[in-house]
Amino acid sequence: GEDVEQSLFLSVREGDSSVINCTYTDSSSTYLYWYKQEPGAGLQLLTYIFSNMDMKQDQRLTVLLNKKDKHLSLRIADTQTGDSAIYFCAGPLRGSQGNLIFGKGTKLSVKP
Amino acid sequence: EPEVTQTPSHQVTQMGQEVILRCVPISNHLYFYWYRQILGQKVEFLVSFYNNEISEKSEIFDDQFSVERPDGSNFTLKIRSTKLEDSAMYFCASSEVSAGDYYGYTFGSGTRLTVV
Repeated sequence: GEDVEQSLFLSVREGDSSVINCTYTDSSSTYLYWYKQEPGAGLQLLTYIFSNMDMKQDQRLTVLLNKKDKHLSLRIADTQTGDSAIYFCAGPLRGSQGNLIFGKGTKLSVKP
Repeated sequence: EPEVTQTPSHQVTQMGQEVILRCVPISNHLYFYWYRQILGQKVEFLVSFYNNEISEKSEIFDDQFSVERPDGSNFTLKIRSTKLEDSAMYFCASSEVSAGDYYGYTFGSGTRLTVV
């Protein structure tokens, strides 16, 4: 079946770049999303990338999409302690009207 | 910024009891969803709802689950007879258009359901 996989933990120092990786199985996804979950909060849409793009930059965030390898990454430049959260990669299930497939989430810890 | 509001934030219930989880989606959104996340597991789709009916549901969404939009603002998830394995964080979400577009979904902050 379709799946999305992520590494579970990432620890960086404040000011460094963070790279969170995701692999997916469904190549027909039109959009792929990154969601952020802060402690006690809901899932916040951070950014998205359309499947015909290779890269998207939005301030400190850079999303890279390698369709051949079905690999998606989120780079956070100049990581701050406020970036500490769980980051989820997600994409729509093929043919679905509402089913987003999520990864397990990568917990990013930023040390001062 | 518009928000999806969920209540309560935490609910503890005895096994076999009925629970109703409540959500107020964003007012101009037309599509509504419930997802859940069992501790340590992935966020899983339960059901989508459009035009006052279920448009899609997952295998998880069996006869014990039901959804309703009782008025113009609320969207509820009912679990008829809770089991221990229903313990999870339940997220409500809404969107302007259906899945597959760049709007993504707006999620609420979740209701943590604990079945004892």
